[in-house]
Amino acid sequence: AQSVSQHNHHVILSEAASLELGCNYSYGGTVNLFWYVQYPGQHLQLLLKYFSGDPLVKGIKGFEAEFIKSKFSFNLRKPSVQWSDTAEYFCAVKGGGSYIPTFGRGTSLIVHP
Amino acid sequence: GAVVSQHPSRVICKSGTSVKIECRSLDFQATTMFWYRQFPKQSLMLMATSNEGSKATYEQGVEKDKFLINHASLTLSTLTVTSAHPEDSSFYICSAAPGLAREQYFGPGTRLTVT
Repeated sequence: AQSVSQHNHHVILSEAASLELGCNYSYGGTVNLFWYVQYPGQHLQLLLKYFSGDPLVKGIKGFEAEFIKSKFSFNLRKPSVQWSDTAEYFCAVKGGGSYIPTFGRGTSLIVHP
Repeated sequence: GAVVSQHPSRVICKSGTSVKIECRSLDFQATTMFWYRQFPKQSLMLMATSNEGSKATYEQGVEKDKFLINHASLTLSTLTVTSAHPEDSSFYICSAAPGLAREQYFGPGTRLTVT
């Protein structure tokens, strides 16, 4: 079955630390990849997306993600996190001929000031 | 950017009653809308895919007679929880996409509490 795995369920960092959240998927073929963020008490917002082209995607708020096709991965990165980055982060993948994205279980990020 | 609204944001109802939740795409037309349920500290569980003018497609295990979905226009989809029970208490989120190949935009969610 098609699946999306986010291996880091809980991440705790101090401000200015670097962040990398893993996302792996099991689809073959063409995929569309997304990272969404859900700040406390708010709705999901799109951080960045990959459809085609440059596999290094830059999103909002200093986030970026790299699509590595050979590793079936789309890891999210930020060189220096801030307290305001505390949130839930969800990876989502569309592929396998379906237009319905599959979401990972999410990663809870807590950034200490 | 694209905005999706949901109404109400919170609702408390008594067991056995029905509750309707509206999802609107405010600045784009959405041929497809999605309804999710989110449990605390967990990912989104897709309940159904709603296509304008046709019947919704429900995910396995989701009771279509309990969760009625109507997508009457390109900007409005409704989810009606019928004969609600306390176990239906949850956070319901809708999303809409301007096209099948596009990303989804999420509504702010509706917190349903059934007493």
